[in-house]
Amino acid sequence: AQSVTQPDIHITVSEGASLELRCNYSYGATPYLFWYVQSPGQGLQLLLKYFSGDTLVQGIKGFEAEFKRSQSSFNLRKPSVHWSDAAEYFCAVRHTDKLIFGTGTRLQVFP
Amino acid sequence: EAGVTQSPTHLIKTRGQQATLRCSPISGHTSVYWYQQALGLGLQFLLWYDEGEERNRGNFPPRFSGRQFPNYSSELNVNALELEDSALYLCASSLDTSYEQYFGPGTRLTVT
Repeated sequence: AQSVTQPDIHITVSEGASLELRCNYSYGATPYLFWYVQSPGQGLQLLLKYFSGDTLVQGIKGFEAEFKRSQSSFNLRKPSVHWSDAAEYFCAVRHTDKLIFGTGTRLQVFP
Repeated sequence: EAGVTQSPTHLIKTRGQQATLRCSPISGHTSVYWYQQALGLGLQFLLWYDEGEERNRGNFPPRFSGRQFPNYSSELNVNALELEDSALYLCASSLDTSYEQYFGPGTRLTVT
């Protein structure tokens, strides 16, 4: 069955530090992958997507993600975290018409 | 360009009542999706509408239903509300299933 795993429930980093959020997927065909961010009480904002082509994709707010087929991973990275990046991050895979989400990683940023 | 809009922002109902949630997609988007984000259950796919038709539904009982209007806006109805229906209901839209989904701010439904 198709699934998405985000192994880290909660991550804490200092402002200015680098960040990597992990995402592993289980999908039979070539996956369409997404990262979304959700601030408290808000909807989801699309950070970036991977459909095909270059395996390193750039998104908004300085985020990037790398698709690694051999590892079934699509990790999200940012070289220098800002306090405003504190939020919950969701990885998702598109299965036919719907999105299957991971359980999310809550990011806390210390000044 | 206006994003996906949802109304109301908050909705409080009592058990057994009916709730109606509304969604307006991004202009030009014909597909509308509904997701439930309940505490401890994560984000789960509810329904997909495209060109006025229900195309797919997730693993939810029939008391969750909806429709899509000719202007592509959508309505989610939840009948016979149960306490566990309390959740954030998110609507998303896309040009079609080949494209990414854009989400609205959600409707927080509280059932007491």
